[in-house]
Amino acid sequence: AQTVTQSQPEMSVQEAETVTLSCTYDTSESDYYLFWYKQPPSRQMILVIRQEAYKQQNATENRFSVNFQKAAKSFSLKISDSQLGDAAMYFCAYGPPTDKLIFGTGTRLQVFP
Amino acid sequence: DSGVTQTPKHLITATGQRVTLRCSPRSGDLSVYWYQQSLDQGLQFLIQYYNGEERAKGNILERFSAQQFPDLHSELNLSSLELGDSALYFCASSERDRVINEQFFGPGTRLTVL
Repeated sequence: AQTVTQSQPEMSVQEAETVTLSCTYDTSESDYYLFWYKQPPSRQMILVIRQEAYKQQNATENRFSVNFQKAAKSFSLKISDSQLGDAAMYFCAYGPPTDKLIFGTGTRLQVFP
Repeated sequence: DSGVTQTPKHLITATGQRVTLRCSPRSGDLSVYWYQQSLDQGLQFLIQYYNGEERAKGNILERFSAQQFPDLHSELNLSSLELGDSALYFCASSERDRVINEQFFGPGTRLTVL
């Protein structure tokens, strides 16, 4: 069965610093996608970044980047120059093409001024 | 704004009652997914519809059912409600494109069962 594990229930970072959130997954599929979603207090699910498993290059979106290690089944999210607005729950998700998403349990990120 | 709408935003009801949650996908999206998020938990997949047909089921209770209508909106029906059904229910839509599996989430319906 496919699973997603986020081993850090909570993380904190100081404004302008860098923080890395960890995620591991388990699958026997070769074709899949990985996502990081942000859930602020409003509870809206906001897509932060997406990685296609067939791409070796790590995805980057402005201050957000991932470290995708396919062999290790690891998919961490790095947030650079952290801002107060980055404070939220972050969920890692795995999904084969056209299929449901499997979510981790989330990491609550606090950002201190 | 993801383009996915859900109504109502909040719903408060009593145990034993029945409610219907509604979702309108993004224009052009044929696939609709329903997820449940209990307090401080991750999202759990309930059910998927594609162009009116059920495509996949997760750990959806027998008391729950869903359908997708010809105009592609979807409804999730929850019956014989229990306290443990209190949760945030999300709808997501996608094009069901085999190249990219990207789901766009609605704002959710918060259900409180008293």
